Amino acid sequence: AQSVTQPDIHITVSEGASLELRCNYSYGATPYLFWYVQSPGQGLQLLLKYFSGDTLVQGIKGFEAEFKRSQSSFNLRKPSVHWSDAAEYFCAVGVPRGGYNKLIFGAGTRLAVHP
Amino acid sequence: GAVVSQHPSRVICKSGTSVKIECRSLDFQATTMFWYRQFPKQSLMLMATSNEGSKATYEQGVEKDKFLINHASLTLSTLTVTSAHPEDSSFYICSASPRGAGDEQFFGPGTRLTVL
Repeated sequence: AQSVTQPDIHITVSEGASLELRCNYSYGATPYLFWYVQSPGQGLQLLLKYFSGDTLVQGIKGFEAEFKRSQSSFNLRKPSVHWSDAAEYFCAVGVPRGGYNKLIFGAGTRLAVHP
Repeated sequence: GAVVSQHPSRVICKSGTSVKIECRSLDFQATTMFWYRQFPKQSLMLMATSNEGSKATYEQGVEKDKFLINHASLTLSTLTVTSAHPEDSSFYICSASPRGAGDEQFFGPGTRLTVL
């Protein structure tokens, strides 16, 4: 069965520090992978996605993620965190179903940023 | 662009009553809309998928008669929680996929349902 694991429930970093959020997936075929950010009162926003090609994916807000098939991982990184990055981050795998992807989400990682 | 709204943002109701939640795509036509449920400190779980003009497809374990979904137009889907009970209290989130962009889902801000 498909699943997504985000091992870190909470992460706290200082503003300006680098960030890495971990994501591991279980899926039998080549995965479609996504990272979303959820801020209070707002809908989930897509940060980046991987479908194929270059395994290092650039996203919005300075985020990037690297797909590593050998490790079944799709970790999210940012070289310098801003206070506005404090939010909940979700990794998801997309399972093709006809004309759309069924998204299977991880439990999320809550990021706190200290000044 | 690609904005999805939900109404209401919060609702409190008495046990046994029904509650309707609306999901609207404001600036695009959505061929497919999705309804998710999010428990505290947990991930989003897909409840059902709806295509405009056809019956919704429910995920395993989701009661069709409890969670009624209507996708009457390309910009509106509704979720009705019938005969709500305290265990239905949750955060309900919808998303919409534009026509011709099957891999992109745009999410609404969610609706917090509390059943007393």
